[in-house]
Amino acid sequence: GQNIDQPTEMTATEGAIVQINCTYQTSGFNGLFWYQQHAGEAPTFLSYNVLDGLEEKGRFSSFLSRSKGYSYLLLKELQMKDSASYLCAAAGSNYQLIWGAGTKLIIKP
Amino acid sequence: IAGITQAPTSQILAAGRRMTLRCTQDMRHNAMYWYRQDLGLGLRLIHYSNTAGTTGKGEVPDGYSVSRANTDDFPLTLASAVPSQTSVYFCASSLLGPPNTGELFFGEGSRLTVL
Repeated sequence: GQNIDQPTEMTATEGAIVQINCTYQTSGFNGLFWYQQHAGEAPTFLSYNVLDGLEEKGRFSSFLSRSKGYSYLLLKELQMKDSASYLCAAAGSNYQLIWGAGTKLIIKP
Repeated sequence: IAGITQAPTSQILAAGRRMTLRCTQDMRHNAMYWYRQDLGLGLRLIHYSNTAGTTGKGEVPDGYSVSRANTDDFPLTLASAVPSQTSVYFCASSLLGPPNTGELFFGEGSRLTVL
């Protein structure tokens, strides 16, 4: 079957670094997405990986290993506004997205 | 500001009633989607449309219908609402459909409660 796993909740300190992991099983693979969702708001796009390796975009980086079915989102220099849920989604062979339940990130001062 | 507009923002509905959630985008995106988001679960695709005039079923289509008469509008209809359809519904769009879908842009969501 198709499945996405990510931790339910993580806590980190302002100014620190946090890594949010995601493992996936899909029928075929056409890319891995990360979205950010603040409470009560719509998801917004963060990153897209289709090849192995690290993609860096400012304070956020995303990594993909297709052979391991694994991705992570790395957030540096954490700010209070980074408190949100982070959604991992994988595109299968039909390009439809399979979504994880999201990781709620709590930032403490 | 360009984007996706959903209506209503919130609605309480009696079971058995018919309800249409509206979604309009002004970005001239080809593809549109309806998702539902429930606590503890990932977003689940209800229906999608890769281009105006076409629609397809997603992961959880039962009890829902859609139409795509033009590029901008993609309404979702619950023919006879049931309590299990209580959820937050998100409409989304992408510039292109598969295989070049790319980034999804989401509306602000419609919170529906069926009693």
